[in-house]
Amino acid sequence: GDSVTQMEGPVTLSEEAFLTINCTYTATGYPSLFWYVQYPGEGLQLLLKATKADDKGSNKGFEATYRKETTSFHLEKGSVQVSDSAVYFCALRWGAGGTSYGKLTFGQGTILTVHP
Amino acid sequence: EAQVTQNPRYLITVTGKKLTVTCSQNMNHEYMSWYRQDPGLGLRQIYYSMNVEVTDKGDVPEGYKVSRKEKRNFPLILESPSPNQTSLYFCASSFNSKGEKLFFGSGTQLSVL
Repeated sequence: GDSVTQMEGPVTLSEEAFLTINCTYTATGYPSLFWYVQYPGEGLQLLLKATKADDKGSNKGFEATYRKETTSFHLEKGSVQVSDSAVYFCALRWGAGGTSYGKLTFGQGTILTVHP
Repeated sequence: EAQVTQNPRYLITVTGKKLTVTCSQNMNHEYMSWYRQDPGLGLRQIYYSMNVEVTDKGDVPEGYKVSRKEKRNFPLILESPSPNQTSLYFCASSFNSKGEKLFFGSGTQLSVL
């Protein structure tokens, strides 16, 4: 079945450091890929998405590129801020067709803490 | 304001006492879903609904029920809660199931003693 694997956390960085959170997926076909962020005490909210191979999603300084050849969607940010401290979830979702139609599959989440 | 509203925010109950967690969205979304979040496991789908009167099991449906009698509401029912259902629960919705983003509620922290 479909699955999403994220790098083990937690991740602790100093402000202005470079961030990478790895995400790989297992799926037959080409799902849409997402990064969601969960700030303390809140629900998840969409950070960025990519719907086909080689697409780059970006938002708030974060970027991720849909790599079909490596089945990856790594999240990056060049300079993190304290306000980026949150839990980050990689996810995939099928757009149409098949038994997994509409289903959103999440990774286990990566806790990011940024210190001043 | 477009939102998904869950109630209650926190709930402590005892084993076997039936409870309902409500979920309502004001965006006229067709698709709604329930997830539970547990440490190290991420979010796992409990049930989902493609539209009114159309519901189906997710990955972990045992011990839960849902109904979708109106488009805006999608309550989660625990007929006989057990301690292994202690978790953080999220309701989510999207316009349809065609690969678009989900809007999440703020969550319900449930403790079953």
